[in-house]
Amino acid sequence: EDKVVQSPLSLVVHEGDTVTLNCSYEVTNFRSLLWYKQEKKAPTFLFMLTSSGIEKKSGRLSSILDKKELFSILNITATQTGDSAIYLCAASRSNYGGSQGNLIFGKGTKLSVKP
Amino acid sequence: DGGITQSPKYLFRKEGQNVTLSCEQNLNHDAMYWYRQDPGQGLRLIYYSQIVNDFQKGDIAEGYSVSREKKESFPLTVTSAQKNPTAFYLCASSIWRGSSETQYFGPGTRLLVL
Repeated sequence: EDKVVQSPLSLVVHEGDTVTLNCSYEVTNFRSLLWYKQEKKAPTFLFMLTSSGIEKKSGRLSSILDKKELFSILNITATQTGDSAIYLCAASRSNYGGSQGNLIFGKGTKLSVKP
Repeated sequence: DGGITQSPKYLFRKEGQNVTLSCEQNLNHDAMYWYRQDPGQGLRLIYYSQIVNDFQKGDIAEGYSVSREKKESFPLTVTSAQKNPTAFYLCASSIWRGSSETQYFGPGTRLLVL
């Protein structure tokens, strides 16, 4: 069965720290890797990564994919309390169907940023 | 305003009762999904639908049912057969970018059993 594993499951840091969240995947017919941020409601889309080694950046957040080693990282620099959330990683695959559907989600990393 | 709406925001269910969660999207997306989220479990797929009048079971479909009579709507019924329905339910719809799919989520419905 395809799977996505995120680590750590939870993380507590102080404002101003830099954090790295990890996501590894074992997915057949892999197409892309997606990151979402979830506060106390719906996950919101952050990044989609399809190519190895090309960093995607949005403000203090950046992410990169390694398709050889089957992992991705999400970096957050100069963290703020508003970054506190669950960060979800999902692997998209092309063989649509089956009970897992097309997006396989990890369990998420819960980030808490203390002032 | 384009988006995905879910209602109600909170729902209470009595033992033995069926309840229906609403999900509507006006994004013209073909595919729609229902997930259940429990603490520490991530998102687990209940049902999904790629096109109107067609849907597939996800990993945890038992005790749930869906319909897809219109492209915009994908309601989820939590039946009395679902023994542990207390959870946060998320609906999503998706768009393809190249060969990859991106899902966008509604605000969720929190279901509590009385």
